[in-house]
Amino acid sequence: DVKVTQSSRYLVKRTGEKVFLECVQDMDHENMFWYRQDPGLGLRLIYFSYDVKMKEKGDIPEGYSVSREKKERFSLILESASTNQTSMYLCASSKPVLETMNTEAFFGQGTRLTVV
Amino acid sequence: SQQGEEDPQALSIQEGENATMNCSYKTSINNLQWYRQNSGRGLVHLILIRSNEREKHSGRLRVTLDTSKKSSSLLITASRAADTASYFCATDKTGANNLFFGTGTRLTVIP
Repeated sequence: DVKVTQSSRYLVKRTGEKVFLECVQDMDHENMFWYRQDPGLGLRLIYFSYDVKMKEKGDIPEGYSVSREKKERFSLILESASTNQTSMYLCASSKPVLETMNTEAFFGQGTRLTVV
Repeated sequence: SQQGEEDPQALSIQEGENATMNCSYKTSINNLQWYRQNSGRGLVHLILIRSNEREKHSGRLRVTLDTSKKSSSLLITASRAADTASYFCATDKTGANNLFFGTGTRLTVIP
């Protein structure tokens, strides 16, 4: 059974804290993604990675960074958490499109982060 | 932006009825996918239709794709209360790995 696991379902952090959101996949996927989901805005891509030690900015990278030291793990970092980063964060992984021509993504359960 | 847009934003039907949701997008795509999300949970892939396909079935799901109109529809037949969820379409550009999601349709099936 394929699995994408996010380390926390719920987090509450204070403004200014450095926050780490962890995501691990067991499918040997090259591609990994971080999205945030807000009411009325759908899913917005924050960062993605096509390979180990590789990262690219998505649509809304400001205030975030990522780390991909191992193929199975993709971490999202909030350098200094702010209240406008309160959101649901979703991690996903997939195989490269040129390998499968199938961009089906597998999602974790999500982390609901509240910044107070 | 290539983001898809679902229509309607919310839909409420009686159990047993059919539910139809639509998705429009802006640029040429390789695939279009539909995902489902239960409240507060991650997304689950439902079905993928390729740009050279016009219709695909999977159980009670029927998806159509009209690339000339840059639109797709998702039909859920004989709906059940357990179908209550948000449904998202997602598109990708030819050769790209990223998925672009719409804002979703919130479906409520009343028992």
